[in-house]
Amino acid sequence: DAKTTQPNSMESNEEEPVHLPCNHSTISGTDYIHWYRQLPSQGPEYVIHGLTSNVNNRMASLAIAEDRKSSTLILHRATLRDAAVYYCILIGADGLTFGKGTHLIIQP
Amino acid sequence: KAGVTQTPRYLIKTRGQQVTLSCSPISGHRSVSWYQQTPGQGLQFLFEYFSETQRNKGNFPGRFSGRQFSNSRSEMNVSTLELGDSALYLCASSRPVGGGDTQYFGPGTRLTVL
Repeated sequence: DAKTTQPNSMESNEEEPVHLPCNHSTISGTDYIHWYRQLPSQGPEYVIHGLTSNVNNRMASLAIAEDRKSSTLILHRATLRDAAVYYCILIGADGLTFGKGTHLIIQP
Repeated sequence: KAGVTQTPRYLIKTRGQQVTLSCSPISGHRSVSWYQQTPGQGLQFLFEYFSETQRNKGNFPGRFSGRQFSNSRSEMNVSTLELGDSALYLCASSRPVGGGDTQYFGPGTRLTVL
């Protein structure tokens, strides 16, 4: 059973910020929240991960709700190369749980 | 360093046959996980191996099996292939999958069952 819920698709304009939500209401205390993205004809690639605190890296930011039941991946300035399927994944002692992913469409 | 490699990249089989897919993890990584990706179901976790032992398993029938060798290379086997087994099979490696470790995915093996 999927433990993460994401919108099927989202659309944004180039050079604007994008907020991709993920709900994980049954997250356990030891589950890490990971985000991966998959470009066409490629395997998924790592974007960012966190446990409790918000995280920033050169690709994106991850905002984690205080109760950890949801998180948001933030792309600060979307480019056409960011068009991909974004997966929110819980990784913990019980293994990995995928959502269906959000297909992000970037309009020029 | 070299990434995760999967062989073969493409495979065509017929119903009832069996297939073995191979995954070579990044050097130093001891955990290998396998996933099935189909258009309808998305990415689904098959199993994870760490130090030659299956540590976690997804909800797949017993026709799907795997193993890991002492050099961390892993194979997955699907017996008695069905049309629905047509999918992209992805392998990912990490140091132990303890939550905080990044998974590195290979390019996948595209299996077509006729």
